[in-house]
Amino acid sequence: DARVTQTPRHKVTEMGQEVTMRCQPILGHNTVFWYRQTMMQGLELLAYFRNRAPLDDSGMPKDRFSAEMPDATLATLKIQPSEPRDSAVYFCASGLVGGANQETQYFGPGTRLLVL
Amino acid sequence: KQEVTQIPAALSVPEGENLVLNCSFTDSAIYNLQWFRQDPGKGLTSLLLIQSSQREQTSGRLNASLDKSSGRSTLYIAASQPGDSATYLCALHGGATNKLIFGTGTLLAVQP
Repeated sequence: DARVTQTPRHKVTEMGQEVTMRCQPILGHNTVFWYRQTMMQGLELLAYFRNRAPLDDSGMPKDRFSAEMPDATLATLKIQPSEPRDSAVYFCASGLVGGANQETQYFGPGTRLLVL
Repeated sequence: KQEVTQIPAALSVPEGENLVLNCSFTDSAIYNLQWFRQDPGKGLTSLLLIQSSQREQTSGRLNASLDKSSGRSTLYIAASQPGDSATYLCALHGGATNKLIFGTGTLLAVQP
C-alpha cells in the first residue's frame, strides 16, 4: 500500500530554533508539493517540485523557509529561524504527471508544528 | 486571482439524509477540480477528480458535478452515514503547473 510518509508527525520547538520536516513521496511519483494548513488561512501551497527541480516556491517566505529534494525519495522543508506564526500543520503531497490519474495528489499525514 | 469558497462552512445532518456541498470559484479558466476529504488530525484523501471537459464524476455514494460557466461545483452524498463525518475540501488545478488552490472547506457531521 504505497503512501506518502512524513516525519516527524509532531514537533514542539522554541522560537528561533531550526525546524526540519521530511517527506518521502510515493515511489515513482515525479511531483512533490509542500502545503501549510492553519485555521485562519486554510491550505496554502508553499513549494512545488517536478523531477526534483523546484518549479514554484512563490508561496514560501524566502527569508526563513527553504525546500529541497536531495534525491527522488526525500523532500525537506526547513524553517530557520522559526517563529510562533509558523505554527501549523505542514503537508507533503506527491503525484505523477504524465501517468494515469496524473492530476491526483496523494497527501501525507502531516507534521504538526508548534513554535513557542 | 482565483478565489474558492465553500458553503456552508459547517453542516449537521441525520444519518440517511442526502446532502449537497457547494464549491464556488471566481475564474472559470480551470484545468480540473478535485474533491478531498480530511479527517481530524489526518491528511487529505482524494475523492473525485473532474476534468474541465467533464460535467460530473461518480464514485459509490458520491457524485460531483462541475459547471465552469457559473463557477460552481457540487458534491452530492447519498444516504449519508456517520462515517462520512469529516471536512470536505474542493481544490482547483489552475493549469499545467498542477498547483492546487483549495477552498475553505465544509465540516460535515452525520448524526447516528
